[in-house]
Amino acid sequence: AQSVTQPDIHITVSEGASLELRCNYSYGATPYLFWYVQSPGQGLQLLLKYFSGDTLVQGIKGFEAEFKRSQSSFNLRKPSVHWSDAAEYFCAFRNTGGFKTIFGAGTRLFVKA
Amino acid sequence: DAGVIQSPRHEVTEMGQEVTLRCKPISGHDYLFWYRQTMMRGLELLIYFNNNVPIDDSGMPEDRFSAKMPNASFSTLKIQPSEPRDSAVYFCASSLAGTGSNEAFFGQGTRLTVV
Repeated sequence: AQSVTQPDIHITVSEGASLELRCNYSYGATPYLFWYVQSPGQGLQLLLKYFSGDTLVQGIKGFEAEFKRSQSSFNLRKPSVHWSDAAEYFCAFRNTGGFKTIFGAGTRLFVKA
Repeated sequence: DAGVIQSPRHEVTEMGQEVTLRCKPISGHDYLFWYRQTMMRGLELLIYFNNNVPIDDSGMPEDRFSAKMPNASFSTLKIQPSEPRDSAVYFCASSLAGTGSNEAFFGQGTRLTVV
């Protein structure tokens, strides 16, 4: 079955510390992968996406993600977190044959001063 | 472009009433998606359209839910009759077919409360 898993329901990091949010997918081929961010009361905003080529992709707001085929992972990273990064982050997956995007359960990020 | 526009932003209704949620996709986009977000179930895809035609409605929870897309610039999601367990945030999203990697752009959502 095709699925995407975010193992961490919530994560707390100190402002200025580095961040890594985990995402794993289950699919027989290389899918299209996305990271979205949702601030409270808002819709989802795309941070970055991967569909081919360089496995390290850069996104907005200083985020990056690395696709690792061998681990079926697409983890999101940021070297230095800002208080404004506190939000919910969703990893999403779309198979290469369709347009149905499936979302993980989300990881809520808390940033402490 | 103004992005995906949803209305209303908030809706409070009584159980048994009909509720209609509205969505205007980004101009030129040919895919439209309806999602529901709850604490318990996360983001669920309810239905999606391609060129105004419903492609996959397997996520629609019950016959009480229906969706239409009469033209390329408008879609509705209707719940009749509504129940308290339908309370959720409903998102509309649109995307443009291409290589298939094109991401979905989301509206601000409609927060539905059924009392």
